[in-house]
Amino acid sequence: SYELTQPPSVSVSPGQTARITCSGDALPKQDAYWYQEKPGQAPVLVIYRDSERPSGIPERFSGSSSGTTVTLTISGVQAEDEADYYCQSADSSGTYVFGTGTKVTVL
Amino acid sequence: QVQLQESGPGLVKPSETLSLTCTVSGGSIRSYYWSWIRQPAGKGLEWIGRIYSSGSTNYNPSLKSRVTMSVDTSKNQFSLKLSSVTAADTAVYYCARVYCNNVSCCFDPWGQGTLVSVSS
Repeated sequence: SYELTQPPSVSVSPGQTARITCSGDALPKQDAYWYQEKPGQAPVLVIYRDSERPSGIPERFSGSSSGTTVTLTISGVQAEDEADYYCQSADSSGTYVFGTGTKVTVL
Repeated sequence: QVQLQESGPGLVKPSETLSLTCTVSGGSIRSYYWSWIRQPAGKGLEWIGRIYSSGSTNYNPSLKSRVTMSVDTSKNQFSLKLSSVTAADTAVYYCARVYCNNVSCCFDPWGQGTLVSVSS
């Protein structure tokens, strides 16, 4: 089955930049989305179509794509950004797939 | 603003059928796809399937043999049934709206999730 691979964890100091990668063979052909999930809360969409930011999401969240890898960047990380982050896309049959998830720790 | 709320039993016995309902408020269930997604404790997210307001469905191949989704537009609700459950089906179950552009789809918004445990 199709997999989207993320690093298990990323640690960053407040005010620094966090970068979370998501790799998958179908990503050059399929859009990627990013969700933020905080403990006890539902996931929230923070980036759509690789690099677009929904209304209400802070400008410090951005996305980019290059080949088989998409990247979520959090610039000027704040304590409130500590959460799990998941990428999401689809395989060639249209089955939706989530990444393995990355825990962002703000030191 | 569309809001979703899951409801259903929090405990299901092994080999029985898990049944959940998602109630949509703040907007119509018509003309959208709606999905179920689950997350075992400490693990990642797994897409279960989606249903259109007309009743058309698509399921994750890994669960297809055990999943049935239905929709009731008069109540603005859609439902999930997962048969022959085992402990591996213990998870937080989320419902979500599927938001599509011409090319691809994402999930927004999500319900708060409901924990379903499978145990005798």
